[in-house]
Amino acid sequence: DAKTTQPPSMDCAEGRAANLPCNHSTISGNEYVYWYRQIHSQGPQYIIHGLKNNETNEMASLIITEDRKSSTLILPHATLRDTAVYYCIVRVSNGQNFVFGPGTRLSVLP
Amino acid sequence: GAVVSQHPSRVICKSGTSVKIECRSLDFQATTMFWYRQFPKQSLMLMATSNEGSKATYEQGVEKDKFLINHASLTLSTLTVTSAHPEDSSFYICSAREASGPYEQYFGPGTRLTVT
Repeated sequence: DAKTTQPPSMDCAEGRAANLPCNHSTISGNEYVYWYRQIHSQGPQYIIHGLKNNETNEMASLIITEDRKSSTLILPHATLRDTAVYYCIVRVSNGQNFVFGPGTRLSVLP
Repeated sequence: GAVVSQHPSRVICKSGTSVKIECRSLDFQATTMFWYRQFPKQSLMLMATSNEGSKATYEQGVEKDKFLINHASLTLSTLTVTSAHPEDSSFYICSAREASGPYEQYFGPGTRLTVT
């Protein structure tokens, strides 16, 4: 079973920041938080991952709470092409398969 | 980043026939590859884990004699759906795990299988 909880869907206006929350209250000390997204009929696309510090790359920022029980993925300026299902997954860094939950369906609206 | 390819990207086959899907790591070696299945409006579900040179490990409820997996080299794993039926129609996705540290895992673009 997935170890994370995400809202099933969210809307965001184009050009605005999209903040996608994820709860992972049972996360272990050696588990990372990974974010992937899946655009319709494509394979999952890696976005970002982190252990306990906030992370930023060219796609997004990841904010992890100090107790590591929740995190937020931030898309700073959402575009229509960011419409996708976003998956938050916790996993050890060199672990085996990813366990996908239902994710959050983000709709970016014009 | 590293690239994983799948072939074909989509295939239509008749009920009762077999179809083979290839998963290749293009610029890295992968001792482990994972096969997922995704039905419409559902999430990805792991079917099996294949390790180069050994037998695949199947998840509970996945028939190993129906979904044949071969991982004969460090860059290629194949999934053969034998005696396909309409209920096998799905989106099949593979991922490949690097053979050496940091053991990152990369996903393929998926294969859409339609059984008529």
